[in-house]
Amino acid sequence: QQQVRQSPQSLTVWEGETAILNCSYENSAFDYFPWYQQFPGEGPALLIAIRSVSDKKEDGRFTIFFNKREKKLSLHITDSQPGDSATYFCAAFYGSSGNKLIFGIGTLLSVKP
Amino acid sequence: NSKVIQTPRYLVKGQGQKAKMRCIPEKGHPVVFWYQQNKNNEFKFLINFQNQEVLQQIDMTEKRFSAECPSNSPCSLEIQSSEAGDSALYLCASSPANQDTQYFGPGTRLLVL
Repeated sequence: QQQVRQSPQSLTVWEGETAILNCSYENSAFDYFPWYQQFPGEGPALLIAIRSVSDKKEDGRFTIFFNKREKKLSLHITDSQPGDSATYFCAAFYGSSGNKLIFGIGTLLSVKP
Repeated sequence: NSKVIQTPRYLVKGQGQKAKMRCIPEKGHPVVFWYQQNKNNEFKFLINFQNQEVLQQIDMTEKRFSAECPSNSPCSLEIQSSEAGDSALYLCASSPANQDTQYFGPGTRLLVL
């Protein structure tokens, strides 16, 4: 079963718009949620992460909103740029360091100039 | 900008052949992970190490897959007898001690003909 779900599968926005990528999870024990950005031919790069004790994390144009009660989070990319076109993965983690990440299947974002 | 180094970047093997790939974790990171990312963007955890010791591994890894992280040498993942279904991007990630964040390398793309 898929423990981490992402929607939409693909998203197209115009340059300057805000892209909203959604993620939900099943296991209430998850307490750390990183988002990774992956360009074709490259490995995933850590973009921003949030812990379950917070409801918001901001880093420049990237903001995570987290709703623990509903087990949902979203990544907002403001002022989207063509260079933001990539696949974005939501992941979840719990327990001690050394545990595996559980990934969603990603959202393919396309930003049109 | 990956500080995790993976070689080779591309690997082509025939069915039944051995496939070996290597990973040098980021300096100072004692925890190393191997994941498989298939063409549908599904991530599958394979195995992880802390220093040279295996922390967790999945059943698939125990059969045809072997991995090691010797001291003062690159970590490696080897598939003893490659199958078409093994064609995927193999990602190595490393993590600092007692931290949840995992940093990924660029991956080795394996094609089994």
